[in-house]
Amino acid sequence: EAQVTQNPRYLITVTGKKLTVTCSQNMNHEYMSWYRQDPGLGLRQIYYSMNVEVTDKGDVPEGYKVSRKEKRNFPLILESPSPNQTSLYFCASSLSPPGGVTEAFFGQGTRLTVV
Amino acid sequence: GQSLEQPSEVTAVEGAIVQINCTYQTSGFYGLSWYQQHDGGAPTFLSYNALDGLEETGRFSSFLSRSDSYGYLLLQELQMKDSASYFCAVRDNNDMRFGAGTRLTVKP
Repeated sequence: EAQVTQNPRYLITVTGKKLTVTCSQNMNHEYMSWYRQDPGLGLRQIYYSMNVEVTDKGDVPEGYKVSRKEKRNFPLILESPSPNQTSLYFCASSLSPPGGVTEAFFGQGTRLTVV
Repeated sequence: GQSLEQPSEVTAVEGAIVQINCTYQTSGFYGLSWYQQHDGGAPTFLSYNALDGLEETGRFSSFLSRSDSYGYLLLQELQMKDSASYFCAVRDNNDMRFGAGTRLTVKP
């Protein structure tokens, strides 16, 4: 089954404790991205990757890191989480940059709470 | 830069027709997409318009007017399961920008 898998689905952590949210896709997609979703703000892109070892900043990259060592995986790293990073996070993948005819496939989301 | 505007909430009754509008500002244009998101779920792709006019997919249709930088999603024969948030989106170079979303509530 074609899917994008994120882990964990829920996470409560403390300020400053490094964490990683994993994302894996099985569709051989070249493009992957991370979004955060906050009430009234919709989905905002954090980082995206055009292919292995190629990443770039989205709209809200501060406080986040990513890596793309393999085509299928695109982890999101919070080196020192802060309460303002409490949010719902989505990973997405697509054959090419999404929008237009290219459909983005989303993972089920990770609800992160930083206390 | 890019911006998308859509109403925050819409309410309609089962069986009715509802239209969700989206206006956008872009530096380049690759088309307007629509995504649906149920509470607690992931966004899923609904439709896409690159050219002016109406695209129909079952009960859902999407319209685009590039000269007006405007589009809408039309939902017909509303069902309770259509209660969800709907997002318009455009591509901005190599990333995608979403509107803030329209929460549709369908009442019996």
